[in-house]
Amino acid sequence: EVQLVESGGGLVQPGRSLRLSCAASEFTFDDYAMHWVRQAPGKGLEWVSGISWNSGNIAYADSVKGRFTISRDNAKTSLYLQMNSLRAEDTALYYCVKDNGGNSGDLDSWGQGTLVTVSS
Amino acid sequence: DIQMTQSPSSLSASVGDRVTITCRASQGIRNDLGWYQQKPGKVPERLIYAASNLQSGVPSRFSGSGSGTEFTLTIGSLQPEDFATYYCLQYNSYPLTFGGGTKVEIK
Repeated sequence: EVQLVESGGGLVQPGRSLRLSCAASEFTFDDYAMHWVRQAPGKGLEWVSGISWNSGNIAYADSVKGRFTISRDNAKTSLYLQMNSLRAEDTALYYCVKDNGGNSGDLDSWGQGTLVTVSS
Repeated sequence: DIQMTQSPSSLSASVGDRVTITCRASQGIRNDLGWYQQKPGKVPERLIYAASNLQSGVPSRFSGSGSGTEFTLTIGSLQPEDFATYYCLQYNSYPLTFGGGTKVEIK
């Protein structure tokens, strides 16, 4: 069974940075694209960013473009999200999500999420 | 960006009812659409992929249909464990976009 374990969330002041990590196991990590999806408290799902299996294709939501950077380390089977210039509206539960293919966007397995709270 | 309009935003239904949820895409997305179920405090789970393919392990009372711009998720006979929020997701092009969600509540 696919295992995705997020970490790195917490309380951070507006304008500061945070780096999320996702440790993946029980599947061949470097065969699949990976994504970050977030959910603000009481709100719906919002796709944040995705990265292809070889990091050759990367995409961001407009709401985070220029502030967030997605990356992966296939040797460590890990996914990352560097979040800079954080805003109150970035407060959300951030999910690490596995793609069904190399870069299909079909999201098939989700981690439990890590909570990011941006507040002074 | 492709906008996904999901309706209704909420509905009340009884156990045994047939329930239909609709998602409309702002432009054609072929069949690049998935449906997800999220129970309170839980992680979203995929029910349907490629518009009409049932995820392994998902009960057969769930079905999906549609192509192009209009899609439906149908629950054939609502069960107590189906009360949840449902989301559609288009993955035809980036940025990926979700529908606003449909909360299915007990009547």
